[in-house]
Amino acid sequence: SYILTQPPAVSVAPGQTARITCGGNNIGSKSVHWYQQKPGQAPVLVVYDDNDRPSEIPERFSGSNSGNTATLTINRVEAGDEADYYCQVWDGSSDVVFGGGTKVTV
Amino acid sequence: QVQLVQSGAEVKKPGSSVKVSCKASGGTFSSSAISWVRQAPGQGLEWMGRIIPSIGIPNYAQKFQDRVTITADKSTSTASMELSSLTSEDTAVYFCARGVGSLYYFDSWGQGTLVSVSS
Repeated sequence: SYILTQPPAVSVAPGQTARITCGGNNIGSKSVHWYQQKPGQAPVLVVYDDNDRPSEIPERFSGSNSGNTATLTINRVEAGDEADYYCQVWDGSSDVVFGGGTKVTV
Repeated sequence: QVQLVQSGAEVKKPGSSVKVSCKASGGTFSSSAISWVRQAPGQGLEWMGRIIPSIGIPNYAQKFQDRVTITADKSTSTASMELSSLTSEDTAVYFCARGVGSLYYFDSWGQGTLVSVSS
């Protein structure tokens, strides 16, 4: 089965840049999607297909994907960005796969 | 954009079954792929399976293959997920979500349904 590995936690000061990684075997060959989840709420899509954003998501959110690592970058971090973040891919053998999630603390 | 509204919280006994529904509005339900994703307390997201209502054939994650049944009713724009042989480890919030195209990302989510399994 395909496995996605995320760091459990990332801490960042307001106004700085947060980078959340998602590791997987040759993940650069797959499309990676990212979700933000705040306590008690459903996940919200923030980046899809490596680096595309839904229209309602601020430009501060961006993604990249190469080799064995995909990265979600949040520029000019705000208090409201504090949440859990999950990466997700589709794999031919495992179907939909989520990473374990990263708690971002601002 | 499609909106998904789920049924309410459930409390179940071990060994029983639970059925959670997900009603869609504002979009093209029949051609959408509706997935079910669960989240145990304090844990991450876990994909369970999907159905495309216009096709009607579900796909299940291997872990749940023997215990889950996903159905869709085009007449009411409602998808349902039934999980059988419940144990305490099935205590979780269950989400329905709309999958987009061949990239399989989820652009709309239901509000979640808490299923508690306890004797």
